[in-house]
Order: sequence, then structure tokens, then C-alpha cells
Amino acid sequence: GNSVTQMEGPVTLSEEAFLTINCTYTATGYPSLFWYVQYPGEGLQLLLKATKADDKGSNKGFEATYRKETTSFHLEKGSVQVSDSAVYFCALFTGGFKTIFGAGTRLFVKA
Amino acid sequence: ETGVTQTPRHLVMGMTNKKSLKCEQHLGHNAMYWYKQSAKKPLELMFVYNFKEQTENNSVPSRFSPECPNSSHLFLHLHTLQPEDSALYLCASSQDGNEQFFGPGTRLTVL
Repeated sequence: GNSVTQMEGPVTLSEEAFLTINCTYTATGYPSLFWYVQYPGEGLQLLLKATKADDKGSNKGFEATYRKETTSFHLEKGSVQVSDSAVYFCALFTGGFKTIFGAGTRLFVKA
Repeated sequence: ETGVTQTPRHLVMGMTNKKSLKCEQHLGHNAMYWYKQSAKKPLELMFVYNFKEQTENNSVPSRFSPECPNSSHLFLHLHTLQPEDSALYLCASSQDGNEQFFGPGTRLTVL
């Protein structure tokens, strides 16, 4: 069946450090891939997405590239800020009305 | 109002109470969802409604009863809950199941 695996947290970084959060997936067909972010006290919101192989999604300095050969969609940011502290969810959608979410990775950024 | 709204934002109830959570989406989407988010557990999909018809019910206990009177409104009726049902309940909507838009959630505490 379809599944998403992302690195366990928490991840703790200093401000301006480089961020990578790993995400790999298993899916039949050709899924769309997403990263959602949840800030404290809020619901999830879409951060970026990619709908086909080799697409790069980007937003707010975050990037992720859809790698079909490695079934991965790793999230990266070159220089994190304290305001990036949140929980990040990798997700996939293959059609129908159901999105598969990863377990979430909590990021703490220290000033 | 824009996006997805949820009321109340916080709810404390006893195990013998009956209460309802409300969700409204102002995006013209055709699908709505209830998720349960507990500490240290993955996001759990509870119910999916597509064009007001329930298309998913992930073995949720009968003490949770969803209602979708139209494509913009979704309710979750609660009765005789247990302390382990304490969690953040998130509502979401989407168009054709793709990118999901989440509300801020209702923080439920069962005493």
C-alpha cells in the first residue's frame, strides 16, 4: 500500500543553519507529493508541492525535489530562522479523496 | 470569513456530556475531512465526505458521529467520550482530494 516515511525528530538547529528533513515514499502509480507545516496552535498548511518526477517545489526559502528513482522528497532550506520552528509533514496523494501523511518532524531553531 | 473555520477552538467535557464540533469551509470545495491529532502519534484520518456522501470511515468508534448537511459544513457529534479521546481535532477541505486546506483545530479535553 501507499506510505510515507520521514525522519524522526525533534531536529534542533541554530539560526542560519542548513536544514534537511528526509522523506521517502511507497506508492503505486504517480503520486503528487507535498510538504505541510504546522505552527504552534494552528492547523496544517501547505508549504510546497510537486506533481511529477523531477519537479521542484519551493516556497519561503524551502525546496524539495520529486526524485522518482530514489522515491524521495527531501525538504531543504539554506538558512533557517527562529520563525521556522514548527512541525513538518511529508504527504502523498495518488487520487481518490485520501492523502497519506508522514508522522511529522518537529523542528526547533535556536537564536 | 475565509478558508476553513472551526468552532469551538477549545472544549472541555465530561465523559457523560454530549457536544458537537463545527467546521465550515468558504472555498467552494467538494470534500471535507475530520482528523484526530494526538501527542506523539501520527495524524489519524477519521472521516471523509465527498459531495456530502461519506466515503471513508476509518474504524472510528461510534461515540464519534459525523454529519455533513451540505458541501460547506461538517459536524462531529461527540457523546460518552473517554479521556483517551482528548486530542486536537482538525477539519480540512479539498477540491477533488488534492491539496488540503486545514482549519485551526478544536482542542478537546475529556475529563
